[in-house]
Amino acid sequence: KAGVTQTPRYLIKTRGQQVTLSCSPISGHRSVSWYQQTPGQGLQFLFEYFSETQRNKGNFPGRFSGRQFSNSRSEMNVSTLELGDSALYLCASSRDRATNEKLFFGSGTQLSVL
Amino acid sequence: ILNVEQSPQSLHVQEGDSTNFTCSFPSSNFYALHWYRWETAKSPEALFVMTLNGDEKKKGRISATLNTKEGYSYLYIKGSQPEDSATYLCACRTGANNLFFGTGTRLTVIP
Repeated sequence: KAGVTQTPRYLIKTRGQQVTLSCSPISGHRSVSWYQQTPGQGLQFLFEYFSETQRNKGNFPGRFSGRQFSNSRSEMNVSTLELGDSALYLCASSRDRATNEKLFFGSGTQLSVL
Repeated sequence: ILNVEQSPQSLHVQEGDSTNFTCSFPSSNFYALHWYRWETAKSPEALFVMTLNGDEKKKGRISATLNTKEGYSYLYIKGSQPEDSATYLCACRTGANNLFFGTGTRLTVIP
């Protein structure tokens, strides 16, 4: 069974640009969460989607947005990029939103903002 | 935002030594505690998900315990091997269903 796939693997952008990251969950998984990892910080929760609806949102500015499609694939968009947005962005999927469901992570997209 | 703390931040042990690390979390409104292992250049991989006070889980040489009343979980590694070198992350799920991660414990096992 294929794992969680994130594309692209690496991305270099300049300040002010926008970027879209993609995440394909494991087949049959309906919940997709996004996290940001910066040096010295734990994984910071961005948002969670389930059945095409955003269920939870972390404490990030409105420049960070996302969506989920009917096939559970999810995209994350960051507009007006800032230097501080440079980070590893991980997505994770799970079958549903039960509290004991473990997350399956993708390899991440490493975003560098110059 | 939930304050999930892990200690120590990093740890070096000799091959064959046993070790343990701690995850602390607020005990109110607790739903689940996750442990993940994150090897360099790989994706975080789930080790355990625990929900009940007193839960103990074991996977090979790795085990974990959970105390929801006092808000902590321990991860134990028995007879550490070089392949155990990784960052170990814990995460706490609250009633709002968000999963909050700690900053991790980076373990290096010296051959």
